[in-house]
Amino acid sequence: EIVMTQSPATLSVSPGERATLSCRASQSVSSNLAWYQQKPGQAPRLLIYGASTRATGVPARFSGSGSGTEFTLTISSLQSEDFAVYYCQQYNNWPWTFGQGTKVEIK
Amino acid sequence: EVQLVQSGAEVKKPGESLKISCKGSGYSFTSHWIGWVRQMPGKGLEWMGIIYPGDSDTRYSPSFQGQVTISADKSISTAYLQWSSLKASDTAMYYCARVSGGVDYWGQGTLVTVSS
Repeated sequence: EIVMTQSPATLSVSPGERATLSCRASQSVSSNLAWYQQKPGQAPRLLIYGASTRATGVPARFSGSGSGTEFTLTISSLQSEDFAVYYCQQYNNWPWTFGQGTKVEIK
Repeated sequence: EVQLVQSGAEVKKPGESLKISCKGSGYSFTSHWIGWVRQMPGKGLEWMGIIYPGDSDTRYSPSFQGQVTISADKSISTAYLQWSSLKASDTAMYYCARVSGGVDYWGQGTLVTVSS
């Protein structure tokens, strides 16, 4: 089973600042990597798939990069609605696996 | 519009059985994998298993193999997750999810509470 490790566990950021979230895979997942946002009481929402392709309706301030084992989600200028938990997930090998999440909180 | 609509919240006792559902609409149900994801209270997301309704090909995550059964009835565009004997540790939110390069659509979640 591929282990996905996200860092940091919590990221404190001021509105308008840039946030950089990391995700590492225990073995290569090629570009089969997705990022999700989850707010309290809601189902997750797909932000990025294929490591760098924004899902429909996702603002351009969200960008994904990386391949193989190292991935990054960048939020260029945090808005109030972006404070949430973010998960990465590999879908290269079954069982698919999620990272443990990064909570982005208001500084 | 693609929608996944899950059955309502359940409160069960340990040892009881349960089957929850997820009805897809707005797309070809038989052409996409559907998966189930568990989220225990205050915790992260875990894949339980996936099914391809077109041919009922099913895969389970090792942690859930033998603990649950995933099925689908393509005639009514509905996927199911069932337990034969619930435990208190099965208390969680369960999401169904359409797979298409990651999960592009999620159900609203079904909260299962198991308590004596």
